Amino acid sequence: GENVEQHPSTLSVQEGDSAVIKCTYSDSASNYFPWYKQELGKRPQLIIDIRSNVGEKKDQRIAVTLNKTAKHFSLHITETQPEDSAVYFCAASRRGNTGKLIFGQGTTLQVKP
Amino acid sequence: DAGVIQSPRHEVTEMGQEVTLRCKPISGHNSLFWYRQTMMRGLELLIYFNNNVPIDDSGMPEDRFSAKMPNASFSTLKIQPSEPRDSAVYFCASSLGWSSYNSPLHFGNGTRLTVT
Repeated sequence: GENVEQHPSTLSVQEGDSAVIKCTYSDSASNYFPWYKQELGKRPQLIIDIRSNVGEKKDQRIAVTLNKTAKHFSLHITETQPEDSAVYFCAASRRGNTGKLIFGQGTTLQVKP
Repeated sequence: DAGVIQSPRHEVTEMGQEVTLRCKPISGHNSLFWYRQTMMRGLELLIYFNNNVPIDDSGMPEDRFSAKMPNASFSTLKIQPSEPRDSAVYFCASSLGWSSYNSPLHFGNGTRLTVT
């Protein structure tokens, strides 16, 4: 089955710097890759997703890139702000697998003012 | 929309007791998922339903765990008997479509279970 590895497990940056979180997946048939943000004590919430027919997607300060050949995808946050501090999860699933999202272990991002 | 509603928010119980977690998905969503979150194992998919039918329960850890979805607006996850290692946050999530490819997951606020 699918296995998703996420790195780093913790990341500390200064406010205004960029942050990059990387994930690799094992199932070459996976074609949907969402990212979720979980603030302390709260539920995971979708922040951006990418499908295998595109290589990059941007939404304001957040971007995701996908390299299907290497089977890895990354989350990029620019101009980080203290409110970006949270745990970020990547996930992967294959079409037709009825929504079986497999999550990475999570990255705790700390943005220092 | 109220989103996915879970109850209770917190549950503290003694080892050996039965625990029932409840979930109301977003109206109109036809897929429902139960995840367990722990520090050691992260977010694990336990079971998911489509149109009230269990599709994949391969993540259910043991026979002590069972889940039902009697109708489109309600699901339960039951642990009987509970053990301390079941302590975790249990999330319910729902999505609009058959596949997450076109319909992201919406999570509830979770139930924090503590088994002493």
